[in-house]
Amino acid sequence: SQTIHQWPATLVQPVGSPLSLECTVEGTSNPNLYWYRQAAGRGLQLLFYSVGIGQISSEVPQNLSASRPQDRQFILSSKKLLLSDSGFYLCAWSRAEAFFGQGTRLTVV
Amino acid sequence: RKEVEQDPGPFNVPEGATVAFNCTYSNSASQSFFWYRQDCRKEPKLLMSVYSSGNEDGRFTAQLNRASQYISLLIRDSKLSDSATYLCVVNKGTGGFKTIFGAGTRLFVKA
Repeated sequence: SQTIHQWPATLVQPVGSPLSLECTVEGTSNPNLYWYRQAAGRGLQLLFYSVGIGQISSEVPQNLSASRPQDRQFILSSKKLLLSDSGFYLCAWSRAEAFFGQGTRLTVV
Repeated sequence: RKEVEQDPGPFNVPEGATVAFNCTYSNSASQSFFWYRQDCRKEPKLLMSVYSSGNEDGRFTAQLNRASQYISLLIRDSKLSDSATYLCVVNKGTGGFKTIFGAGTRLFVKA
């Protein structure tokens, strides 16, 4: 069966610090991968999606970047965090329906 | 116009009530449709797919109206444990490409 792992679960980072969130998928090959952000009390905002290694599409201009160095690995990064980057970050994989990791709650202070 | 729109609610209903949510989507090329449930501070989880002919899973019934570009979710005999946010999900391809989530409808079921 397929599983998706996302870490860390919570993170508190100072403004201006770098960020790296990692997501890995097991039990499937060539999945579509996604990074979403959810602000408190708001809906899911699609940040990046990837249909293959090295293929990243960005949905909104922002302070973040994504990379897919391996088929089942998706990384969300930032060189310098802003206060507005705080939120609940969710990695997901899909073929038709999407399956989510447990999320990372990021607080930038 | 947002690609997927939902009434944010909240819907406050007593136990045992029937409640329905609608969701509209803008892209007529959308091919796959789902309802997800999200509990507070948790990741969304798939509740059910939505098929063209309509489908039922226990107390939950989902329907798709392609002509009017909306999907619906009906919950019968509401339970306290049904309290959550329900997300409407649409994607354009069978491969799951470009999955778009609605902002969700909050449901509170009270004793």
